[in-house]
Amino acid sequence: EAQVTQNPRYLITVTGKKLTVTCSQNMNHEYMSWYRQDPGLGLRQIYYSMNVEVTDKGDVPEGYKVSRKEKRNFPLILESPSPNQTSLYFCASSTLNRVPYDMNTEAFFGQGTRLTVV
Amino acid sequence: KNEVEQSPQNLTAQEGEFITINCSYSVGISALHWLQQHPGGGIVSLFMLSSGKKKHGRLIATINIQEKHSSLHITASHPRDSAVYICAVPHQGAQKLVFGQGTRLTINP
Repeated sequence: EAQVTQNPRYLITVTGKKLTVTCSQNMNHEYMSWYRQDPGLGLRQIYYSMNVEVTDKGDVPEGYKVSRKEKRNFPLILESPSPNQTSLYFCASSTLNRVPYDMNTEAFFGQGTRLTVV
Repeated sequence: KNEVEQSPQNLTAQEGEFITINCSYSVGISALHWLQQHPGGGIVSLFMLSSGKKKHGRLIATINIQEKHSSLHITASHPRDSAVYICAVPHQGAQKLVFGQGTRLTINP
């Protein structure tokens, strides 16, 4: 079954304690992305990756890191979490379009990770 | 002004009613996505369309590229259709999606 798997689903942590949210896809997709969803602000992109070892900032990258060492995995790292990073996080993947150069292929989303930083 | 505007923001209806959710966007696009987010939080892709109409079960999505407008219709609505529906468009020249604020749909039995 084609899927994007995030772990953990729920996480409560304390300010400053490093954490990693994992994301894995089994569809051999080149493109992966992280979003956060906040009430009144909708979904906003944090980071994205167009292929192994290729990552770039989205709209709200401050306080986050990512890595793409393998095609299937795209972990989100919070080196020193703060309460303003309390949010619902989604990982997504899709195939990569080159002509036209935009997201007109189906996107697959993970189940979400609800993070609370106290 | 947001690039993607959805209406209404909230919609409550009775089971069996015909539902319409609208999405307007301000940029030229090659495709538009409709997503569904259930109360549990997960997001599922419903449709991706670039012209005309697509149908999947009781769900129908239409798009008018010239008018920069898309609609999602649900026929014979059911309480299990209760969810947040989100439209998203590709950001021009970039491999990312720009999302609407979502429409929270509640179908009462």
